[in-house]
Amino acid sequence: SYELTQPLSVSVALGQTATISCEGDNIETKNVQWYQQKPGQAPVLVIHRDTNRPSGIPERFSGSNSGNTATLTISRAQVGDEADYYCQVWDISGFCVFGPGTAVAVL
Amino acid sequence: QMHLQESGPGMVKPSETLSLTCSVSDVTMNNSRYFWGWIRQPPGKGLEWIGSISQSGKTHYNPPLRSRVTISVDTSKSHFSLKVISVTAADTAVYFCARHLSGGSFFNQYHYMDLWGTGTTVIVSS
Repeated sequence: SYELTQPLSVSVALGQTATISCEGDNIETKNVQWYQQKPGQAPVLVIHRDTNRPSGIPERFSGSNSGNTATLTISRAQVGDEADYYCQVWDISGFCVFGPGTAVAVL
Repeated sequence: QMHLQESGPGMVKPSETLSLTCSVSDVTMNNSRYFWGWIRQPPGKGLEWIGSISQSGKTHYNPPLRSRVTISVDTSKSHFSLKVISVTAADTAVYFCARHLSGGSFFNQYHYMDLWGTGTTVIVSS
Protein backbone atom coordinates (compact mmCIF):
# COMPACT_ATOMS: atom_id res chain seq x y z
CA SER A 1 0.00 0.00 0.00
CA TYR A 2 1.06 3.58 -0.60
CA GLU A 3 2.66 5.37 2.35
CA LEU A 4 3.21 9.02 3.15
CA THR A 5 5.84 10.43 5.51
CA GLN A 6 5.64 13.76 7.33
CA PRO A 7 7.83 15.32 10.03
CA LEU A 8 6.34 14.94 13.49
CA SER A 9 6.60 18.65 14.23
CA VAL A 10 7.65 21.95 12.73
CA SER A 11 8.37 25.18 14.59
CA VAL A 12 8.26 28.63 13.03
CA ALA A 13 8.83 32.11 14.39
CA LEU A 14 5.91 34.48 14.29
CA GLY A 15 5.77 36.18 10.90
CA GLN A 16 8.24 33.79 9.29
CA THR A 17 7.72 30.97 6.80
CA ALA A 18 6.93 27.35 7.69
CA THR A 19 7.40 24.49 5.29
CA ILE A 20 5.86 21.06 5.86
CA SER A 21 6.97 18.16 3.72
CA CYS A 22 5.02 15.09 2.64
CA GLU A 23 7.10 12.34 1.11
CA GLY A 24 5.85 9.46 -1.01
CA ASP A 25 7.13 7.32 -3.84
CA ASN A 26 6.85 9.40 -7.02
CA ILE A 27 4.26 11.57 -5.31
CA GLU A 28 4.46 14.10 -8.12
CA THR A 29 2.24 11.76 -10.17
CA LYS A 30 -0.55 12.13 -7.62
CA ASN A 31 -2.81 14.97 -6.62
CA VAL A 32 -1.95 16.06 -3.08
CA GLN A 33 -4.28 17.69 -0.59
CA TRP A 34 -3.50 19.37 2.74
CA TYR A 35 -5.81 19.66 5.74
CA GLN A 36 -5.48 21.83 8.83
CA GLN A 37 -6.89 20.48 12.09
CA LYS A 38 -7.06 22.49 15.29
CA PRO A 39 -7.66 20.76 18.65
CA GLY A 40 -11.21 19.51 19.07
CA GLN A 41 -12.22 20.51 15.56
CA ALA A 42 -12.80 18.81 12.25
CA PRO A 43 -10.11 19.07 9.58
CA VAL A 44 -10.31 21.92 7.09
CA LEU A 45 -9.11 21.61 3.50
CA VAL A 46 -6.43 24.25 2.85
CA ILE A 47 -4.87 23.01 -0.43
CA HIS A 48 -6.26 20.64 -3.07
CA ARG A 49 -4.72 19.24 -6.21
CA ASP A 50 -1.21 20.26 -5.19
CA THR A 51 -1.54 24.04 -5.43
CA ASN A 52 -5.18 25.12 -5.26
CA ARG A 53 -6.63 27.05 -2.33
CA PRO A 54 -10.33 26.68 -1.55
CA SER A 55 -12.38 29.82 -1.14
CA GLY A 56 -11.70 31.47 2.21
CA ILE A 57 -8.18 30.10 2.69
CA PRO A 58 -5.59 32.88 2.98
CA GLU A 59 -3.05 33.36 0.21
CA ARG A 60 -0.38 32.75 2.86
CA PHE A 61 -1.04 29.04 2.34
CA SER A 62 0.54 27.54 -0.78
CA GLY A 63 1.46 24.10 -2.05
CA SER A 64 3.88 22.45 -4.42
CA ASN A 65 4.61 18.92 -5.57
CA SER A 66 7.74 17.61 -7.26
CA GLY A 67 9.59 14.32 -7.39
CA ASN A 68 9.01 12.41 -4.16
CA THR A 69 8.02 15.42 -2.04
CA ALA A 70 4.97 17.61 -1.75
CA THR A 71 5.25 20.75 0.35
CA LEU A 72 2.84 23.00 2.20
CA THR A 73 4.20 26.49 2.81
CA ILE A 74 2.73 28.89 5.33
CA SER A 75 4.03 32.43 4.84
CA ARG A 76 3.93 35.13 7.50
CA ALA A 77 2.94 32.56 10.10
CA GLN A 78 0.39 33.61 12.68
CA VAL A 79 -0.53 32.19 16.07
CA GLY A 80 -3.82 31.08 14.54
CA ASP A 81 -1.91 28.79 12.17
CA GLU A 82 -0.92 26.50 15.05
CA ALA A 83 -2.51 23.17 14.22
CA ASP A 84 -1.89 19.68 12.92
CA TYR A 85 -1.48 19.45 9.16
CA TYR A 86 -2.17 16.29 7.16
CA CYS A 87 -1.33 15.54 3.56
CA GLN A 88 -3.58 13.18 1.60
CA VAL A 89 -3.53 11.40 -1.74
CA TRP A 90 -5.72 8.92 -3.60
CA ASP A 91 -4.06 5.64 -4.49
CA ILE A 92 -4.78 4.40 -8.00
CA SER A 93 -5.92 1.09 -6.46
CA GLY A 94 -8.93 2.97 -5.16
CA PHE A 95 -8.35 4.21 -1.66
CA CYS A 96 -7.50 7.33 0.26
CA VAL A 97 -4.21 7.70 2.15
CA PHE A 98 -3.48 10.28 4.84
CA GLY A 99 -0.03 11.20 6.05
CA PRO A 100 0.68 10.83 9.79
CA GLY A 101 0.36 14.56 10.40
CA THR A 102 2.68 17.40 11.40
CA ALA A 103 2.17 19.60 14.43
CA VAL A 104 3.02 23.22 13.67
CA ALA A 105 4.05 25.50 16.52
CA VAL A 106 4.35 29.27 16.07
CA LEU A 107 6.93 30.69 18.48
CA GLN B 1 -25.62 26.69 4.80
CA MET B 2 -24.07 23.40 3.75
CA HIS B 3 -23.89 21.11 6.73
CA LEU B 4 -23.03 17.52 7.62
CA GLN B 5 -23.86 16.09 11.03
CA GLU B 6 -22.95 12.71 12.49
CA SER B 7 -25.27 10.90 14.89
CA GLY B 8 -25.28 7.59 16.72
CA PRO B 9 -24.50 5.90 20.03
CA GLY B 10 -21.51 7.27 21.90
CA MET B 11 -20.68 3.89 23.39
CA VAL B 12 -20.63 0.38 21.94
CA LYS B 13 -19.78 -2.91 23.62
CA PRO B 14 -16.90 -5.05 22.33
CA SER B 15 -17.89 -7.54 19.62
CA GLU B 16 -21.05 -5.57 18.81
CA THR B 17 -21.84 -3.36 15.80
CA LEU B 18 -21.11 0.35 15.57
CA SER B 19 -23.73 2.26 13.57
CA LEU B 20 -23.54 5.92 12.63
CA THR B 21 -25.53 8.17 10.33
CA CYS B 22 -24.50 11.38 8.60
CA SER B 23 -27.30 13.83 7.82
CA VAL B 24 -26.66 16.14 4.90
CA SER B 25 -28.29 19.60 4.85
CA ASP B 26 -28.46 22.15 2.06
CA VAL B 27 -26.17 20.02 -0.10
CA THR B 28 -27.32 18.01 -3.07
CA MET B 29 -26.31 14.37 -2.85
CA ASN B 30 -27.26 13.69 -6.46
CA ASN B 31 -24.06 14.78 -8.14
CA SER B 32 -21.82 12.19 -9.77
CA ARG B 33 -18.67 14.07 -8.70
CA TYR B 34 -19.44 13.55 -5.05
CA PHE B 35 -18.76 10.60 -2.85
CA TRP B 36 -19.75 10.54 0.81
CA GLY B 37 -17.11 9.33 3.19
CA TRP B 38 -16.21 8.35 6.72
CA ILE B 39 -12.91 9.14 8.42
CA ARG B 40 -11.94 8.37 12.01
CA GLN B 41 -9.33 9.59 14.47
CA PRO B 42 -8.34 7.51 17.52
CA PRO B 43 -7.48 9.53 20.62
CA GLY B 44 -4.20 11.37 20.14
CA LYS B 45 -3.61 9.88 16.71
CA GLY B 46 -3.95 10.84 13.06
CA LEU B 47 -6.72 10.58 10.50
CA GLU B 48 -7.75 7.21 9.07
CA TRP B 49 -10.00 7.00 6.05
CA ILE B 50 -12.65 4.30 6.43
CA GLY B 51 -14.43 4.40 3.11
CA SER B 52 -16.66 6.35 0.73
CA ILE B 53 -19.81 5.80 -1.30
CA SER B 54 -21.19 7.51 -4.41
CA GLN B 55 -24.77 8.61 -4.88
CA SER B 56 -25.28 5.55 -7.06
CA GLY B 57 -23.92 3.21 -4.37
CA LYS B 58 -20.40 2.59 -5.66
CA THR B 59 -18.12 2.04 -2.68
CA HIS B 60 -14.43 2.31 -1.86
CA TYR B 61 -13.13 0.89 1.42
CA ASN B 62 -9.84 1.06 3.25
CA PRO B 63 -8.37 -2.43 2.73
CA PRO B 64 -7.55 -3.17 6.40
CA LEU B 65 -11.17 -2.39 7.37
CA ARG B 66 -12.97 -3.75 4.33
CA SER B 67 -14.09 -7.01 5.95
CA ARG B 68 -15.84 -5.24 8.84
CA VAL B 69 -17.24 -2.09 7.25
CA THR B 70 -20.40 -1.31 5.28
CA ILE B 71 -21.31 2.15 4.02
CA SER B 72 -24.75 2.82 2.56
CA VAL B 73 -26.51 5.88 1.16
CA ASP B 74 -30.11 7.06 0.97
CA THR B 75 -30.25 10.21 -1.12
CA SER B 76 -34.03 10.48 -0.72
CA LYS B 77 -33.47 10.98 3.02
CA SER B 78 -30.28 13.00 2.54
CA HIS B 79 -28.16 10.76 4.64
CA PHE B 80 -25.52 8.05 4.50
CA SER B 81 -24.51 5.49 7.09
CA LEU B 82 -21.61 3.51 8.47
CA LYS B 83 -21.63 0.08 10.10
CA VAL B 84 -18.59 -1.53 11.66
CA ILE B 85 -19.05 -5.07 12.94
CA SER B 86 -17.15 -6.92 15.67
CA VAL B 87 -15.75 -3.78 17.25
CA THR B 88 -12.83 -3.75 19.68
CA ALA B 89 -11.18 -1.05 21.76
CA ALA B 90 -9.10 -0.19 18.70
CA ASP B 91 -12.27 1.18 17.08
CA THR B 92 -12.57 3.87 19.75
CA ALA B 93 -12.26 7.16 17.91
CA VAL B 94 -13.84 10.38 16.78
CA TYR B 95 -15.76 9.55 13.61
CA PHE B 96 -16.15 12.23 10.94
CA CYS B 97 -18.37 12.16 7.89
CA ALA B 98 -17.34 14.22 4.88
CA ARG B 99 -18.23 15.11 1.32
CA HIS B 100 -15.65 13.57 -0.95
CA LEU B 101 -15.09 15.30 -4.29
CA SER B 102 -13.72 13.22 -7.14
CA GLY B 103 -12.56 13.83 -10.67
CA GLY B 104 -9.72 13.72 -13.15
CA SER B 105 -8.57 10.96 -15.49
CA PHE B 106 -7.87 7.37 -14.47
CA PHE B 107 -4.13 7.92 -14.05
CA ASN B 108 -4.52 11.39 -12.60
CA GLN B 109 -7.48 11.07 -10.29
CA TYR B 110 -8.20 13.49 -7.53
CA HIS B 111 -10.27 12.72 -4.48
CA TYR B 112 -10.50 14.98 -1.50
CA MET B 113 -12.81 15.89 1.37
CA ASP B 114 -14.03 19.47 1.03
CA LEU B 115 -16.83 19.52 3.59
CA TRP B 116 -16.70 17.82 7.00
CA GLY B 117 -19.07 17.13 9.86
CA THR B 118 -18.06 18.15 13.36
CA GLY B 119 -17.34 14.57 14.42
CA THR B 120 -18.82 12.23 16.99
CA THR B 121 -16.95 10.27 19.65
CA VAL B 122 -17.49 6.53 19.84
CA ILE B 123 -16.05 4.57 22.77
CA VAL B 124 -15.88 0.80 22.67
CA SER B 125 -16.16 -0.47 26.21
CA SER B 126 -18.04 -3.05 28.21
